[in-house]
Amino acid sequence: QQQVKQSPQSLIVQKGGISIINCAYENTAFDYFPWYQQFPGKGPALLIAIRPDVSEKKEGRFTISFNKSAKQFSLHIMDSQPGDSATYFCAAFLSPNAGKSTFGDGTTLTVKP
Amino acid sequence: DAGITQSPRHKVTETGTPVTLRCHQTENHRYMYWYRQDPGHGLRLIHYSYGVKDTDKGEVSDGYSVSRSKTEDFLLTLESATSSQTSVYFCAISSNTDQPQHFGDGTRLSIL
Repeated sequence: QQQVKQSPQSLIVQKGGISIINCAYENTAFDYFPWYQQFPGKGPALLIAIRPDVSEKKEGRFTISFNKSAKQFSLHIMDSQPGDSATYFCAAFLSPNAGKSTFGDGTTLTVKP
Repeated sequence: DAGITQSPRHKVTETGTPVTLRCHQTENHRYMYWYRQDPGHGLRLIHYSYGVKDTDKGEVSDGYSVSRSKTEDFLLTLESATSSQTSVYFCAISSNTDQPQHFGDGTRLSIL
C-alpha cells in the first residue's frame, strides 16, 4: 500500500529555473517528513526535513512547503543548477514506530545548462 | 558523512544459494534498517533493529532474515536467493525514530 505518492516521476528544468516536486500522504499520524537526494551509485542523502508544526522550512536554495490540512508537502529548488540533477525522494516517518517509515517512488530531476 | 559501510558493494550469485550482506556503523546509533530499492518502487523497508538482538519486520520481509549481535553490525541474510531478490540493498541508521535516517552506499545484488 503506497502511503506516500510522489509526483512527477521525472522533471526537466532549465538552469536557473525552479524545480517543484510534490508528495501527498494518507496517514495523519506521520510526524516527520524528510527529503533525500540520491546520485547514481550512491545512497540517499538527507537534504532537508520538516515537522508538521511548521508550514515552511528553507535551507539555502531548498524549501519545503507543508500543508497539513491537504496532507501534502513539496520541495522547491530555486535557481536550479546542473549539479542538482539527481533523484529526489520524499518520505514520511511515524515516530516512535521505526517500522513505519515510508518513501515516495522518486523523481528524477534533470537540469539543463 | 555518517560512518556506514556496506559489504560487499557488488555480488552476483545463483538462485538457491544463501547470501549475507553486512552493514557496519561507527556512529553508535540504536536503530538500523535494511531497505531494497527497485525501479518504480522507491525504498521499501525489509527489516529493522532497535537494539542488540532486537529486530522486527518491515513491509517486504518475506525471504529475508536479519541479525544484530553487536551495536555496530546488522546482517541481512537471504537463506535461498531467488531472482526476485535482485535489487540494490541499502542500510540506514538513526539515533532515534524521530531523527533522520542516514544511508550507506548500497549493495548491488544480482541473482541469476
